[in-house]
Amino acid sequence: GAGVSQTPSNKVTEKGKYVELRCDPISGHTALYWYRQSLGQGPEFLIYFQGTGAADDSGLPNDRFFAVRPEGSVSTLKIQRTERGDSAVYLCASSFSRSNEQFFGPGTRLTVL
Amino acid sequence: GENVEQHPSTLSVQEGDSAVIKCTYSDSASNYFPWYKQELGKGPQLIIDIRSNVGEKKDQRIAVTLNKTAKHFSLHITETQPEDSAVYFCAAYDRGSTLGRLYFGRGTQLTVWP
Repeated sequence: GAGVSQTPSNKVTEKGKYVELRCDPISGHTALYWYRQSLGQGPEFLIYFQGTGAADDSGLPNDRFFAVRPEGSVSTLKIQRTERGDSAVYLCASSFSRSNEQFFGPGTRLTVL
Repeated sequence: GENVEQHPSTLSVQEGDSAVIKCTYSDSASNYFPWYKQELGKGPQLIIDIRSNVGEKKDQRIAVTLNKTAKHFSLHITETQPEDSAVYFCAAYDRGSTLGRLYFGRGTQLTVWP
């Protein structure tokens, strides 16, 4: 079946702009995760959804970052007033439940000029 | 929180040789240790995992060992092939936690020369 998909694959924006990154998890997966990967680093956790609710958002770096999952499927990561330091690959993963294997999408490469 | 250290950061081997990547973790509550392979421009893909109730697991050319006492685990790839070239990440996780995060190492760039 289809894996985790993310759109767009690349996003270039200017400092101060607002961006939205979308994640479509594997059908039937109740858990969804966002990670951020900087160049030469491992993925760093941002937020975890169980169903529609954010069960753990302790990885969000500041209040410019926000994520939603209104119907328990698709999720959107929203970044306000982007800064150059936000440039990274944003990865989404989903799993059947919290304790199961996490399947990753291809990521969205965000570049803030 | 958990801290995962991974070594080496780069590894070059000749085709057919073995490759070993080592990781340590700090939180004794961690009980699930997946390894991911990430190719250029793609997301990480799970290649093998191990749970804390076993010391070794093997899947064809790939094996993982776990030493809970020393808090370290290793990935072993035998008979390496050029298509094994990629970045490999280890991770640690507490399956009993209500939190969902995987803690990743910084990655190992493996290059297999033909």
